[in-house]
Amino acid sequence: GQQLNQSPQSMFIQEGEDVSMNCTSSSIFNTWLWYKQDPGEGPVLLIALYKAGELTSNGRLTAQFGITRKDSFLNISASIPSDVGIYFCAGRGNAGNNRKLIWGLGTSLAVNP
Amino acid sequence: GAGVSQSPSNKVTEKGKDVELRCDPISGHTALYWYRQRLGQGLEFLIYFQGNSAPDKSGLPSDRFSAERTGESVSTLTIQRTQQEDSAVYLCASSFPRALEQFFGPGTRLTVL
Repeated sequence: GQQLNQSPQSMFIQEGEDVSMNCTSSSIFNTWLWYKQDPGEGPVLLIALYKAGELTSNGRLTAQFGITRKDSFLNISASIPSDVGIYFCAGRGNAGNNRKLIWGLGTSLAVNP
Repeated sequence: GAGVSQSPSNKVTEKGKDVELRCDPISGHTALYWYRQRLGQGLEFLIYFQGNSAPDKSGLPSDRFSAERTGESVSTLTIQRTQQEDSAVYLCASSFPRALEQFFGPGTRLTVL
């Protein structure tokens, strides 16, 4: 099925470093969502974006809805060991009443204390 | 409960056996989704229920897979004649009507020997 291009696929950083990851789509999206999945658990919603250009923060996390509506990025500042996990982006285009999200393949983050 | 619950948390079965996976969504969430996540992979959409509308079954990989939902509550995903390739974590998510934010359960880890 259709998927988003999410990059990087994996990251290994030192505690305290900032992290940036992004998602791109070949088509326009109306909504972008960022989720985090801890090992052995289901994904948890971090940030939701509904408007092109929107910049939203949640603690040390900041996400932006790209102005072209075809991309989004997630930044994590001053990383800590509990940031370890897989980060997924998900989006929805203009497909009428279809509430099905399109998912990226995830960015796996490892933090070295 | 406050969140989406799934049972069992782990299931080990022999090739060729049928399995049933259960999902209890958050109360009031009319939308319910099933996803499959293979080891180290992203989320693969399987099926989507929305209220009394016909479910979107476009993600079911074969006719061995089926799902039912009782009203706006419990859903059961059934896999018949399981194959080793069916081994994965099966995630359930639910959401409010007209909302895109999905809330995930912890998943059922299925291992087919």
